[in-house]
Amino acid sequence: NAGVTQTPKFRVLKTGQSMTLLCAQDMNHEYMYWYRQDPGMGLRLIHYSVGEGTTAKGEVPDGYNVSRLKKQNFLLGLESAAPSQTSVYFCASNTPGTSGNTIYFGEGSWLTVV
Amino acid sequence: AQSVTQPDIHITVSEGASLELRCNYSYGATPYLFWYVQSPGQGLQLLLKYFSGDTLVQGIKGFEAEFKRSQSSFNLRKPSVHWSDAAEYFCAVAPSGSARQLTFGSGTQLTVLP
Repeated sequence: NAGVTQTPKFRVLKTGQSMTLLCAQDMNHEYMYWYRQDPGMGLRLIHYSVGEGTTAKGEVPDGYNVSRLKKQNFLLGLESAAPSQTSVYFCASNTPGTSGNTIYFGEGSWLTVV
Repeated sequence: AQSVTQPDIHITVSEGASLELRCNYSYGATPYLFWYVQSPGQGLQLLLKYFSGDTLVQGIKGFEAEFKRSQSSFNLRKPSVHWSDAAEYFCAVAPSGSARQLTFGSGTQLTVLP
């Protein structure tokens, strides 16, 4: 009963380093999303994908890249990490029109950039 | 573009008391409306959602919410709060016809006193 799985769960980076967050879903969902959560700001959409091989920018895409090479995976990359990217990152997935349009979230990845 | 306002940053109630968390949205048509709960260090769990039909929606854990079109509101209620309800609560909206992009409110932190 995995649902949406994010790895790693915790990471500390130095400014300028790169890293990739992996999101995997086993529900055969078409759409996948990356959000970041910051205190007092709720969740903001970084990038999303409406299908394998497609990606689109969300509300706060700068400094991030994504790829959806396989339907079940959605990768979020930071090429040169900055302290402003210290945040909690959530992956989510769904297929609109199914399961009551419910969007399922992963448990989050805590990233600190020093 | 849609927006969501949760006017109360922090609410404190005593165990057994009733609870109402406010949510107001701005959107041209009737959107999809959601309430999520996030316990410390955890991901987001869907409490309930409204797409159409009966404006009073029942969710998990004894929560309910009422959609009021005239007030552009979707307030969350619970008649008797339990200590385990202490968490952060997020209201979210998505364009009607698609759950593709959720816009979240900034959240309301609930503290429950014994």
